[in-house]
Amino acid sequence: DAGITQSPRHKVTETGTPVTLRCHQTENHRYMYWYRQDPGHGLRLIHYSYGVKDTDKGEVSDGYSVSRSKTEDFLLTLESATSSQTSVYFCATYRGGDEQYFGPGTRLTVT
Amino acid sequence: AQSVAQPEDQVNVAEGNPLTVKCTYSVSGNPYLFWYVQYPNRGLQFLLKYITGDNLVKGSYGFEAEFNKSQTSFHLKKPSALVSDSALYFCAVTSLEGDDKIIFGKGTRLHILP
Repeated sequence: DAGITQSPRHKVTETGTPVTLRCHQTENHRYMYWYRQDPGHGLRLIHYSYGVKDTDKGEVSDGYSVSRSKTEDFLLTLESATSSQTSVYFCATYRGGDEQYFGPGTRLTVT
Repeated sequence: AQSVAQPEDQVNVAEGNPLTVKCTYSVSGNPYLFWYVQYPNRGLQFLLKYITGDNLVKGSYGFEAEFNKSQTSFHLKKPSALVSDSALYFCAVTSLEGDDKIIFGKGTRLHILP
């Protein structure tokens, strides 16, 4: 497995608070992605990055921002968490022409 | 923009029977297609991919998939199902000439009945 870690693995937070999830990779892959997984919706792309400081929106980007200041780290921020953002969040890396490698996921609950 | 449809939320198959999990896609340009599997409380594991070449692609755990350009489909198949194949299966697509967005379907839950 590619070395992808996500932190925290579990988080409970209150509505209206900012939350940052971290994805860290040790494989030097160019591309990184954030997805959320919800029953009945599968995996939906939130944001992705195609290089340091290069990011773009996915299917469900409203209420989320990202940053990538180093190749190995991709941060997802919920600017003001809402209950609709309760989900499992997966980070993935990709080097092009290969498959994606997924992290273990972060379970976020917004109360 | 890319999209993926997995028309079946759930597929039930008896152990030993062949299985098919359906996937259709829409993409500008040439597709790059994937199948992943997710076991309970786990992340996604790669099964197989199609870029170019033979339309029948072989992957992990005895799975294979058939690319059909005219029908824009990439169905996952296995000749003889095992109970241990029970899991959630995802199809994904990106475009070889596009922006490297990788879009997933909603997933199909496969139940293999003993």
